[in-house]
Amino acid sequence: QSVLTQPPSVSGAPGQRVTISCTGSSSNIGAGYDVYWYRQFPGTALKLLIYANSNRPSGVPDRFSGSKSGTSASLAITGLQAEDEADYYCQSYDSSLSGVVFGGGTKLTVL
Amino acid sequence: QVQLVESGGGVVQPGRSLRLSCATSGFIFSNYGFHWVRQAPGKGLEWVAVIWFDGSNQYYAGSVKGRFTISRDSSMNTVYLQMNSLRVEDTALYYCARDLGHFSRGSSYFDYWGQGTLVTVSS
Repeated sequence: QSVLTQPPSVSGAPGQRVTISCTGSSSNIGAGYDVYWYRQFPGTALKLLIYANSNRPSGVPDRFSGSKSGTSASLAITGLQAEDEADYYCQSYDSSLSGVVFGGGTKLTVL
Repeated sequence: QVQLVESGGGVVQPGRSLRLSCATSGFIFSNYGFHWVRQAPGKGLEWVAVIWFDGSNQYYAGSVKGRFTISRDSSMNTVYLQMNSLRVEDTALYYCARDLGHFSRGSSYFDYWGQGTLVTVSS
């Protein structure tokens, strides 16, 4: 199982707000390492959505936002759209493992 | 535009070897570190290895240390993953990703990913 814990699935209706949690521990998120978020459509390359906890790369809509507190982080998506339906992954670094770690991924379904 | 294209995947028997390639273009290759990340069928992402921008350091996940070797060729703008002593549990889609951060500071993250190459280890 993954070092970072994400809910397997979340869902929401168009226009609603959803959040995806990412829970770590004292050797990764809780140790102060930044959290990053990616989106993956089936069969396509992953796309960076959020870097350094809460920053959006150029071109990512402001409907996407990230936050971090303690040993957890969250990705929020407002104004949900059908095209947001995808898998979402969080990522950080773990000092005990001396490597990059990912969450198990969350499948977002737009109802 | 930035492109990362993986190749070299296939079906291989347990205990055999395979070399993956990640051909890059559209940017200055020597400015970036690169990672390999894999995704087993129906599973999440697992980090595999990193090589620094100048090739001076490489680090590996515990599950592949001693069996896999990451390398780079600046003349070909290509990153490689040599996989030896393959196991059934190495079956996955292998992605190459460009590092925009700094692994030494625990701040690696990936701004570009390839589409992946599938490795199947089966007898």
